[in-house]
Amino acid sequence: DTAVSQTPKYLVTQMGNDKSIKCEQNLGHDTMYWYKQDSKKFLKIMFSYNNKELIINETVPNRFSPKSPDKAHLNLHINSLELGDSAVYFCASSQRQPGTSGRAAGELFFGEGSRLTVL
Amino acid sequence: KNQVEQSPQSLIILEGKNCTLQCNYTVSPFSNLRWYKQDTGRGPVSLTIMTFSENTKSNGRYTATLDADTKQSSLHITASQLSDSASYICVVSPRDNYGQNFVFGPGTRLSVLP
Repeated sequence: DTAVSQTPKYLVTQMGNDKSIKCEQNLGHDTMYWYKQDSKKFLKIMFSYNNKELIINETVPNRFSPKSPDKAHLNLHINSLELGDSAVYFCASSQRQPGTSGRAAGELFFGEGSRLTVL
Repeated sequence: KNQVEQSPQSLIILEGKNCTLQCNYTVSPFSNLRWYKQDTGRGPVSLTIMTFSENTKSNGRYTATLDADTKQSSLHITASQLSDSASYICVVSPRDNYGQNFVFGPGTRLSVLP
């Protein structure tokens, strides 16, 4: 039983195409994220959703559009792909800790990553 | 600005040896600090978590320490194994983290050789 699953694991596509990556979590968490890991292996937050509501939207091109149909799913659609979009994209989820008025952030659980290569 | 720095950037050790990885942060106020292990081609997995009131936490051969005064944490690996080869990422959670906006370090790449 995979806790956070994302598909596809590998994606190779041409510049200018549109592609989507899907993510599902079965942990019952209320928050989901998309992170980008570049060639230097640094993880950068892109988006965060809490109960289907967008709460973090870092400076990413508006070609990237997240969609959360329900709190167990967070998909990432990318329009007009560019060479610089090549990276590994990680989905993650977490749960706010009870008894802390929602202040404390819980442990992040990551998916296995989706390696996007734009040619 | 909230930042997390890690050192060294990379480290090579022989199997069976010990090593210590460092994490310095400027996140304030601070809620908790986690160390994650990321194997090649996999997603990061949490190793330890420490709140601001804790000084040390162990998980098998992994021991994390925290000095909230100097804003430093370390991860000590004892009797290293080949399977310890991975990136180790320090992640800090600000207090009042309504946005769940964790602050990530750049990671330390550890290679354990036979």
